[in-house]
This record gives sequence, structure tokens and C-alpha cells, in this order.
Amino acid sequence: EVQLVESGGGLVQPGGSLRLSCTASGFSFNSYGMSWVRQAPGKGLEWVSTISLSGGNTYYTDSVRGRFTISRDNSKSTMYLQMNSLRGEDTAIYYCAKNIPGPLGLDYWGQGTLVTVSS
Amino acid sequence: IQLTQSPSSLSASVGDRVTITCRASQGISSYLAWYQQRPGKAPKLLIYAASTLQSEVPSRFSGSGSGTDFALTISSLQPEDFATYYCQQVNHYPLTFGGGTKVEI
Repeated sequence: EVQLVESGGGLVQPGGSLRLSCTASGFSFNSYGMSWVRQAPGKGLEWVSTISLSGGNTYYTDSVRGRFTISRDNSKSTMYLQMNSLRGEDTAIYYCAKNIPGPLGLDYWGQGTLVTVSS
Repeated sequence: IQLTQSPSSLSASVGDRVTITCRASQGISSYLAWYQQRPGKAPKLLIYAASTLQSEVPSRFSGSGSGTDFALTISSLQPEDFATYYCQQVNHYPLTFGGGTKVEI
């Protein structure tokens, strides 16, 4: 059974940093690209970032490029999102998701972790 | 690439046929996925490559379209289908989602 478990969310002040983790099981982690998607309270889904299966290629939405860094450790079946210079508009539930190769879509999702940026 | 979903919300009854549309601001071939999100839950993939049904998704769900115009159809709405539906284009980075369509009773 595919499982994705996010951790690392919490309350942080504006300008602060946080690192999210996504631990995967039930599939060959090093064979799939992975993504982060967020959802602000009461709002729609927003794609944040994608990393290729090797970690050699990374992609970001414009609003986080230069502040967030996606990475992965295939030996630990874990993906990360390092978030720096956090702003109020980064407040959201952050989901990690497994890519269908292409990518053609996101076929498995974690339960999400809440990040709140507030003083 | 902007995705515009219509309608933003709709009211329907069990057994109704429901169609949600998604229009892309430029051609994306068939690189479109559809998701269902129930309140308080993570999104669930329904359709990818515009018309390919994800494993274990009921056959009452279907997708169609290519280029700029796409549709998700639920042939006979069931109680568990009341949720919010999102389209996503995966043709070009940055990947983008539509604004969502809330299907209510």
C-alpha cells in the first residue's frame, strides 16, 4: 500500500524558516518524481514544486522560487521542502504527492501538514 | 497556463448527470488531470491524460477533450460524489490547477 506521510508543519513568524518532510512507503521511491501542493484555508489547490526521480531537475511556482527548495533523499525514501523567508500568504496545508511519470498527474497524496505564518 | 472551470458551484440531486468544464488559456494536448476533494481530506486523482480513468475509480466518472476544452462527467451522481472537483494541466511548468467546482446537494 502506498503511503505518504508529511511532517514538520507548525506556527512560524513572518521571515522565519521551516522544513517539511514527506516519508514514502509502499513503492519504489527512487523511480518516481514527487511534488508539493498547498491549499490556503478555504481556497483551492496550488501546485508548489516538483522534483525528478533523481533529484536532478526541480521546478517551482513563481511565488516561492528563490525562497523554497525541494530536495529528496532516495536512501531514506523522503522528500523535503525547505521554506525560507516565509510570508503570511504561505499559510496553507501542504500536501506531498507522487507523480505519474510524465508527469501525467498526482496519483497518491499524503494527509497534509499545516503551516501557519503569523506573528 | 490558466485553467478556468465552469461552473464554480452547482446543485444537483442523486442520480443526476453532471458535467464540469475546464478551459485552458492555450493548448495543452491531452495533458489534463481531474481530482476530487471531499471536505477535510486530501485530493484524489480521478482521471489523467484527459480521459484515462485512474485505477479503482468508479466508471460513472469520465473525462473528455483535448487542446483547450475539457470536461468531467459524472453519469449518475451518488451521495459520496458531493465534493469539490479540480482540473490540473501537466503540459507545462508551472503546473496549474483550475479554481474548483463545488458539487452540492
